[in-house]
Order: sequence, then structure tokens, then C-alpha cells
Amino acid sequence: DTAVSQTPKYLVTQMGNDKSIKCEQNLGHDTMYWYKQDSKKFLKIMFSYNNKELIINETVPNRFSPKSPDKAHLNLHINSLELGDSAVYFCASSPKTTNEKLFFGSGTQLSVL
Amino acid sequence: GEDVEQSLFLSVREGDSSVINCTYTDSSSTYLYWYKQEPGAGLQLLTYIFSNMDMKQDQRLTVLLNKKDKHLSLRIADTQTGDSAIYFCAERPYSSASKIIFGSGTRLSIRP
Repeated sequence: DTAVSQTPKYLVTQMGNDKSIKCEQNLGHDTMYWYKQDSKKFLKIMFSYNNKELIINETVPNRFSPKSPDKAHLNLHINSLELGDSAVYFCASSPKTTNEKLFFGSGTQLSVL
Repeated sequence: GEDVEQSLFLSVREGDSSVINCTYTDSSSTYLYWYKQEPGAGLQLLTYIFSNMDMKQDQRLTVLLNKKDKHLSLRIADTQTGDSAIYFCAERPYSSASKIIFGSGTRLSIRP
């Protein structure tokens, strides 16, 4: 069983479209995250939720809206996609906010044309 | 400020030891981590060290922490082809309990 699963794995879309990426974890963790990895492999946190509550919101355009319906799910909706949004988006979870460990999904490669 | 830096590439011969280095700026960091990313996959935690430790050993992996110089290293003994990956150094600042800051990653390649 996959611990942190995100869908889709690949997403190719046109500029201006709206798209969503879904993430689910079956580890019973309280905290979930979205990270963005650019083409140079630089990894930057975007959002963090603890038990459905937003606790980290980095400097991310408000076109990006995370939603956590329950503590096992954290989805990412992106409006009006731009070329610069092309990246790999990773979902992750950790047992508690002191997060000794992050467990990552396998990533969603988003390509905006 | 919060910044983590690593060299981008390292090439070693199979069977030799690999040493990947990292420097960080936040002296209040409580945990420091090494993650491994294989092609097409997410990051996987390899090991981590508490800031009050100098060294941690786990099978072929040795982590050394020099708090004075804010320098972290990962040594992989007897490097194998399966160790080819990108290795990320990361820190958790005391000021931000829920945020882990990652370096840019070091791509380790193994030559025969």
C-alpha cells in the first residue's frame, strides 16, 4: 500500500486553465504539506496543514488554493495556470508538527504549455 | 536567515567513499536531515541528526555535524551503483517548527 499517494502523476495543460492535484496519506499523520520542485531540483515549501488547519502559507500566488477536507487528504487547486507553474509538485506528510520525518509522495509533474 | 547550500555534483568510483557536504545558516536549527531522491520518485529520508549530536552512524552512512561552522556532511562507505541519486540536505529551524528548509541537492554519480 502506498503511504502518500498523489494523482495525477503527469499533468499537461494549456496556460489559463484551472487544474487540481490530489493527495492522500494512509499513515495516520496529522500534518500534510505541498512542496514545489523546479527544473533545477530546488525544493520549496508552499503550504502546510495540521489536522485540516492551515499553518504554513509561504509566498505563493493566491491562484494556488489548498484544501484539506480531512487530515488524510490535502488537495491543491491552481487557477489560471502560467508557464512558470511548470514544476514537480510533491505532497508530504509527517507524524506531528515537530516533523522529525517527512514522507513524500512520488510527485506530480505539471507542464503548462 | 534560513539558507541551506550544497554543491551540485559529485562523481565517485564504485567502492570508494562518497562525502556530500552542506552548510546552513540558521544556528537555531534543531534537526538536520539527509534525504535521497531517485529519478522519478519523491524524496526519502535517509537519516537525521539532532543538533546536540556530533556524529551519527547507520550502516554505510555516517553523518557529521559541526555546529560551530554550521557544516553537515554525509559519508557513504563502499559506494554502489544503487547509491546514484540526488541527495538533499535539510534543516528544521527552531523558529518554525513546521517548516523544513531544503538545500538544492547534490547529484551523486558512480563511475565503474
